Amino acid sequence: EDKVVQSPLSLVVHEGDTVTLNCSYEVTNFRSLLWYKQEKKAPTFLFMLTSSGIEKKSGRLSSILDKKELFSILNITATQTGDSAVYLCAVGYSGTYKYIFGTGTRLKVLA
Amino acid sequence: KAGVTQTPRYLIKTRGQQVTLSCSPISGHRSVSWYQQTPGQGLQFLFEYFSETQRNKGNFPGRFSGRQFSNSRSEMNVSTLELGDSALYLCASSLAGTGSGANVLTFGAGSRLTVL
Repeated sequence: EDKVVQSPLSLVVHEGDTVTLNCSYEVTNFRSLLWYKQEKKAPTFLFMLTSSGIEKKSGRLSSILDKKELFSILNITATQTGDSAVYLCAVGYSGTYKYIFGTGTRLKVLA
Repeated sequence: KAGVTQTPRYLIKTRGQQVTLSCSPISGHRSVSWYQQTPGQGLQFLFEYFSETQRNKGNFPGRFSGRQFSNSRSEMNVSTLELGDSALYLCASSLAGTGSGANVLTFGAGSRLTVL
């Protein structure tokens, strides 16, 4: 059965810390992996990783995809209280138009 | 440009009733997907529409249905509501196509349904 597993489920850090969020997946015919940030509203898009784009960076956030080991990580450096949110990982696969989401990692950044 | 708009934002129903939720995608986006989000299960795929056709359906009972109109707006309906249907229902739109970003989902704020 296709699945996406995120870890840890939650973590609490202090401002300035660096965090690494994990997303492992088992899907057939992998097409893409998306990262989203969800506060008390709609998930907002962060990165898309594919076979042709396995590393992305935007400011303090970066992500890599390991297609061989079937996982992705999202790194956040110099965390700020505004980074507090649930981070979602979603995997899409060829031949379908749906994404499988992990249950998310809840990050809390303390001042 | 305007984002994905979902209405209503909040609603309360009782068991046995039915509900219709509406989603207006970003202008130019032709694909609309629906997801159910609950604390225990996370986001679960319901269905996806493109050009008024349902292309994929998730593992939900037949009480959950949807449709898409010619202007890409979409509705989903849940009949004979059960307590377990209480959730945040998220709609997402995408361009759809072959470009690298064409299948990125842009979400609306959701419709929070409470079933009593």
